Amino acid sequence: GAGVSQSPRYKVAKRGQDVALRCDPISGHVSLFWYQQALGQGPEFLTYFQNEAQLDKSGLPSDRFFAERPEGSVSTLKIQRTQQEDSAVYLCASSSRRQETQYFGPGTRLLVL
Amino acid sequence: DAKTTQPPSMDCAEGRAANLPCNHSTISGNEYVYWYRQIHSQGPQYIIHGLKNNETNEMASLIITEDRKSSTLILPHATLRDTAVYYCIVRAGGSQGNLIFGKGTKLSVKP
Repeated sequence: GAGVSQSPRYKVAKRGQDVALRCDPISGHVSLFWYQQALGQGPEFLTYFQNEAQLDKSGLPSDRFFAERPEGSVSTLKIQRTQQEDSAVYLCASSSRRQETQYFGPGTRLLVL
Repeated sequence: DAKTTQPPSMDCAEGRAANLPCNHSTISGNEYVYWYRQIHSQGPQYIIHGLKNNETNEMASLIITEDRKSSTLILPHATLRDTAVYYCIVRAGGSQGNLIFGKGTKLSVKP
């Protein structure tokens, strides 16, 4: 079946611009995760949803980062007033209630100039 | 912080077995060992996981020591497409929480 998809795959933003990154999880997966991956590093957790509820947002680096999943399916990660340090790959993963294995999308590569 | 220790890099000849070690000396009784890999410019890909028994699937084998303080991921016949960063992660069973990645092992398969 279809895996996790993310869009756009690449985004170039000017410093100060707002961006929105989309994640389409595997159909029926109740859990959804966002991770941030800086160049040469492993992914780092940002936030976690179970259905539409955001249960953990402890990894969001600042209040400029906001995530939502209003209908318990598609999720959007929004970054306001982007800064150069926000440049990274943003990964989305989903998992089912029965199976704890997380399946990742291809990521969105964000470059802030 | 990641609860695992892996060598930063390894080389393997194409067609040979690749054996990737991982130390997790503080693993708890209910924690599983998961392996993911990340090929350049792609998202992490699930490979295999286990609790205490050895596991095998179509991608790899996972050997966990009896004391569970270390494990080895085995790719039986490495190909050039197996070149990637391999991450070993420990995670509590029944957990829907996030994965904690370390720096992983960069495996280079050479012709």
